[in-house]
Amino acid sequence: AQKITQTQPGMFVQEKEAVTLDCTYDTSDPSYGLFWYKQPSSGEMIFLIYQGSYDQQNATEGRYSLNFQKARKSANLVISASQLGDSAMYFCAMREGSSSASKIIFGSGTRLSIRP
Amino acid sequence: DGGITQSPKYLFRKEGQNVTLSCEQNLNHDAMYWYRQDPGQGLRLIYYSQIVNDFQKGDIAEGYSVSREKKESFPLTVTSAQKNPTAFYLCASKEAGRDRNQPQHFGDGTRLSIL
Repeated sequence: AQKITQTQPGMFVQEKEAVTLDCTYDTSDPSYGLFWYKQPSSGEMIFLIYQGSYDQQNATEGRYSLNFQKARKSANLVISASQLGDSAMYFCAMREGSSSASKIIFGSGTRLSIRP
Repeated sequence: DGGITQSPKYLFRKEGQNVTLSCEQNLNHDAMYWYRQDPGQGLRLIYYSQIVNDFQKGDIAEGYSVSREKKESFPLTVTSAQKNPTAFYLCASKEAGRDRNQPQHFGDGTRLSIL
């Protein structure tokens, strides 16, 4: 069975500081993909970044980067220079299998609050 | 503009009643998904479909049913067997091509409450 674990239910960070949101996963499939989404209070889901299990380098997208440690089965999201608008719920998700249409499951999320 | 449309935005269900949540996409995506989100919680997979006329149960399929008769439509029925249906329901779709890094596209959700 696959599983996604986000151990930080909530975090407070000072504006302009970097923040790391933890995500560990469990799968026996060698081919998988990891996604991070942001959900503001409005409820919409905003895609942030993707990491494939065979990708050699850590993914980066602007202020977002993914610290992918395959042996430890962790895929932590790093947000550099946090902004007030970063306050939201953040979800880690995993696609198991090589098909892009495979089952995708989500972690329980981390609520990030940025202090001015 | 291409996207996913969920309707209604708010829905109320009486005891013993079945209700159907609509999800339509014009993105030409093969894969579609239904998730349930309880307050302050993550998304839990109810059902997903990789192709027309085929769908698979997710982690919490009991009390729900789906159909996939058309590529663009994936309605979810919350049956009377679902005893605690109050939640936020999100529909998503995804391209099923070679680019596995393509993210899911989400609708704006339907909030279902018990009367």
